[in-house]
Amino acid sequence: QVQLVQSGSELKKPGASVKVSCKASGYTFTTYGINWVRLAPGQGLAWMGWINTNTGNPTYAQGFTERFVFSLDTSVSTAYLQISSLKAEDTAVYFCARKVLVRGKDVFDIWGQGTMVTVSS
Amino acid sequence: DIQMTQSPSSLSASVGDRVTITCRASQTISNFLNWYQQKPGKAPKLLIYAASSLQSGVPSRFGGSGSGTDFTLTISSLQPEDFATYYCQQSYSTPRTFGQGTKLEIK
Repeated sequence: QVQLVQSGSELKKPGASVKVSCKASGYTFTTYGINWVRLAPGQGLAWMGWINTNTGNPTYAQGFTERFVFSLDTSVSTAYLQISSLKAEDTAVYFCARKVLVRGKDVFDIWGQGTMVTVSS
Repeated sequence: DIQMTQSPSSLSASVGDRVTITCRASQTISNFLNWYQQKPGKAPKLLIYAASSLQSGVPSRFGGSGSGTDFTLTISSLQPEDFATYYCQQSYSTPRTFGQGTKLEIK
């Protein structure tokens, strides 16, 4: 079936880096874009941006331009989110989500299960 | 950026109640409005897209309406599994912004 499976929870120290993976299966990976969404403790969903899986071109939301990098490995149908110079405020659950067009409007129809990233000394 | 404002932020209701959640955009977004449901520890789930279209597999007790700047999500008869947090999201322009969420709790 169509699914996105993310890598497991991470515990990192401030200043370290983390790379979260999002592996797609059940569909042609390069057909649909992958979005990244953050859920920080006590906050709502925040759209971080997306990556065009056909061209590899990323788009970042404001606030996610400095230390955040989206990348792909299309040979294994996987998208990645890398966060460098981690700070305590990066502690959150990070979701990947497939973007599809339905009647000319894009929706996030399939989501990964989420990856908890905890930044603590 | 388009700001999405949901009300209320939280809501207590009973099984069988009719519930309405509203979402207001800071500028017109036509019907580029989606609704998601999220339960604790789970990924969000798409309920409604294009303001009023029900995603495949979603129960018909969920309904959406609105256009322009004002939108509503209605649950006609609350079921135990509907207690969750609901988010609206605009897909009219980048960045794709979410509302702050409405937490629906059992009374």
